[in-house]
Amino acid sequence: DSGVTQTPKHLITATGQRVTLRCSPRSGDLSVYWYQQSLDQGLQFLIQYYNGEERAKGNILERFSAQQFPDLHSELNLSSLELGDSALYFCASSVEAGVTSSNTGELFFGEGSRLTVL
Amino acid sequence: SQQGEEDPQALSIQEGENATMNCSYKTSINNLQWYRQNSGRGLVHLILIRSNEREKHSGRLRVTLDTSKKSSSLLITASRAADTASYFCATVYRGSTLGRLYFGRGTQLTVWP
Repeated sequence: DSGVTQTPKHLITATGQRVTLRCSPRSGDLSVYWYQQSLDQGLQFLIQYYNGEERAKGNILERFSAQQFPDLHSELNLSSLELGDSALYFCASSVEAGVTSSNTGELFFGEGSRLTVL
Repeated sequence: SQQGEEDPQALSIQEGENATMNCSYKTSINNLQWYRQNSGRGLVHLILIRSNEREKHSGRLRVTLDTSKKSSSLLITASRAADTASYFCATVYRGSTLGRLYFGRGTQLTVWP
């Protein structure tokens, strides 16, 4: 158990709909990352938050948005869903914003939210 | 794309044999990490090697890094059926946001009892 909790585990919805994925990081971790895993693209970095602030943006579509709340949990909002958005969405957390001498740079991943768009 | 490439895509071996997976990447890195993913599950960090390191060990795992060839290898010795999983290398590129990992496509390892 990584200590990162993601809900829901599975989600089936229709094209055009909007969903929200939730992530609770490990206790004490300030950084939250969102990754998408699909057959087409593999594992892709979407976005990172650190202590409530957006830190880095990757291949995140404009239809997608995220935020990190004061209690450090994060939500990924996916709107106007398309068939191609079907994927496993992972949240990961780490203590700091990156690799330092005091940490290993390791990310702790949740079990993912499997989104199916029909 | 800055994603790395693993080789082979799939590897099938008997219990007790060693498994070697390779990873190549594109530009200068800060560090390279290996993760394991059981089918449909989350990724689990195995080992991290920094750009100034050449070899690292953790239990039955041995990782090497050759920055001149921009490649790394993961060796699992005396493999077990429970090692069956997908293995991904992930790089943190120099100058990139630390914590932003670029993953390869993974090697699917099957260990037969």
